[in-house]
Amino acid sequence: QKEVEQNSGPLSVPEGAIASLNCTYSDRGSQSFFWYRQYSGKSPELIMFIYSNGDKEDGRFTAQLNKASQYVSLLIRDSQPSDSATYLCAVKDAGGTSYGKLTFGQGTILTVHP
Amino acid sequence: DAGVTQSPTHLIKTRGQQVTLRCSPKSGHDTVSWYQQALGQGPQFIFQYYEEEERQRGNFPDRFSGHQFPNYSSELNVNALLLGDSALYLCASSPLAPSSASGRRETQYFGPGTRLLVL
Repeated sequence: QKEVEQNSGPLSVPEGAIASLNCTYSDRGSQSFFWYRQYSGKSPELIMFIYSNGDKEDGRFTAQLNKASQYVSLLIRDSQPSDSATYLCAVKDAGGTSYGKLTFGQGTILTVHP
Repeated sequence: DAGVTQSPTHLIKTRGQQVTLRCSPKSGHDTVSWYQQALGQGPQFIFQYYEEEERQRGNFPDRFSGHQFPNYSSELNVNALLLGDSALYLCASSPLAPSSASGRRETQYFGPGTRLLVL
């Protein structure tokens, strides 16, 4: 069974700090990785996607991918109270018959306190 | 540019009943995926539709079925509802054809969801 595991939460950081969210996946052939943010009672909202090893930056967000270690992370710099949400890591299935199924982790609850 | 829309937003049913949920994909998207999200869990893949056919299916019983229409909109049907079917049902759309933005063709965008409560 293909699995995606996220670091256990909840995670609490002070405003202005760096929040680090981690995710590991079991399918070594996975190629596409996504981070979604989900506010309470709302649907997931795409933050970033990453396909290549290394870092990808978008504003205050940086996604990091290490395929050899089967590890993907999300860093949030200068964390704001508005960043308080559940962060979902998602991995697209690999394989020739895979058409886009995303496997999600259980989510990490982030709280940024003033 | 309208995003993914879903209806209804909330629904209350009793055990044994049947329910139909609807989804309209984002403009320019032709692939629709359905997910079930139980409280405190990540979304679980139900199935994906493309060209009016179920292309991939997750580990859900046959009580869960779907349909895609020529305009790419989709329905999720659940028969013989169980208490455990209470969840947030999410529709996600994605473009199949390569887009000008690298990698965007694989990205799934979620609708607001339908919250189903089975009593």
